[in-house]
Amino acid sequence: DTAVSQTPKYLVTQMGNDKSIKCEQNLGHDTMYWYKQDSKKFLKIMFSYNNKELIINETVPNRFSPKSPDKAHLNLHINSLELGDSAVYFCASSQDGLAGGRTGELFFGEGSRLTVL
Amino acid sequence: DQQVKQNSPSLSVQEGRISILNCDYTNSMFDYFLWYKKYPAEGPTFLISISSIKDKNEDGRFTVFLNKSAKHLSLHIVPSQPGDSAVYFCAARLYNFNKFYFGSGTKLNVKP
Repeated sequence: DTAVSQTPKYLVTQMGNDKSIKCEQNLGHDTMYWYKQDSKKFLKIMFSYNNKELIINETVPNRFSPKSPDKAHLNLHINSLELGDSAVYFCASSQDGLAGGRTGELFFGEGSRLTVL
Repeated sequence: DQQVKQNSPSLSVQEGRISILNCDYTNSMFDYFLWYKKYPAEGPTFLISISSIKDKNEDGRFTVFLNKSAKHLSLHIVPSQPGDSAVYFCAARLYNFNKFYFGSGTKLNVKP
């Protein structure tokens, strides 16, 4: 059983297109995240949702729009893709996503490698 | 502005010896520090953590040390095994915002 699953794992597309990456977790966690691993390999937080409510929204272009239909799903939609959007996007979840929670251990999906040509 | 840094992109160690991975941070408001391990084509998996009120946490072959005055933490693996070969990410949590900041990772290669 995959705890955090993302689809697709690989995505190659042209500049200007719109694409979505889906994420689902079966851990019963309250909080889900999107991270971007850039060319320098840093993992950077993009968004965080707790029980379908947006709680972290980092400085990302508004071409990126997360959607959480329920607490087990967090999808990422990207409009008008640019070359710089090429990266690996990781979905993650944690049991306690609010400030002051426990360790806040993150469970990651396998990543979705997006290549924009 | 990277608040968590891993200055060694790679480390090579002989099987059975100690592996020491280092991590530096700049924000004194971090309250938890974590290490994640990542194999190719997989997501990072949690390895070990330490609260900012402690200076050492041990779990089997893995020990994390925290030096708050130096804003430095390290992960010791003893003895190192070939299966430990992976990329190790250091992460720190910002208490008030529950944000996790990650370093760029250190690729560990344990030679048989």
